[in-house]
Amino acid sequence: RKEVEQDPGPFNVPEGATVAFNCTYSNSASQSFFWYRQDCRKEPKLLMSVYSSGNEDGRFTAQLNRASQYISLLIRDSKLSDSATYLCVVNIAGSARQLTFGSGTQLTVLP
Amino acid sequence: DGGITQSPKYLFRKEGQNVTLSCEQNLNHDAMYWYRQDPGQGLRLIYYSQIVNDFQKGDIAEGYSVSREKKESFPLTVTSAQKNPTAFYLCASSGGSETDTQYFGPGTRLTVL
Repeated sequence: RKEVEQDPGPFNVPEGATVAFNCTYSNSASQSFFWYRQDCRKEPKLLMSVYSSGNEDGRFTAQLNRASQYISLLIRDSKLSDSATYLCVVNIAGSARQLTFGSGTQLTVLP
Repeated sequence: DGGITQSPKYLFRKEGQNVTLSCEQNLNHDAMYWYRQDPGQGLRLIYYSQIVNDFQKGDIAEGYSVSREKKESFPLTVTSAQKNPTAFYLCASSGGSETDTQYFGPGTRLTVL
């Protein structure tokens, strides 16, 4: 079983739609959680951290369920510029290597 | 501007040659990392360094070597022992504490001819 698993998609949605991505992680000792965004042939960039109580940044909402070892990202009012691959990333406490990356979920927002 | 730079952006190598990828950061970060990304796959850790003059193997270190002689520099050498080196190579850095975010350079795309 992969340490971090994501639905690879692709998700093709119209502009203005709401889309949700899910991610599961296998190590219950995981302590920190992130969503990164990666545009085609570019480097990953931090989209947002995920906090236990859930957090929101504009049109983006991230949630964490530690009991189910599940992370989600919700994008409201999708824009064409949201088209990218979204990477679920987990930090395991005590691990000097820090971050484990999921394979990513590809999103295309259509006009 | 603070950030991470990688060079070159594109690199072509003949089989049997060693090549060195550059990574420099001016963020004063203690930790630096090298990842490899293949099409449709996630990032896989090659090597990482938490402090100067110290580094550890990641999940796929075979065929690669690194050095960390300066805090701001973490070059990666892809040796001829690496059987399938064609990939997108990403360097990252972080402040070093466990909850710090990693910031990435723009990457080097290596193609073996």
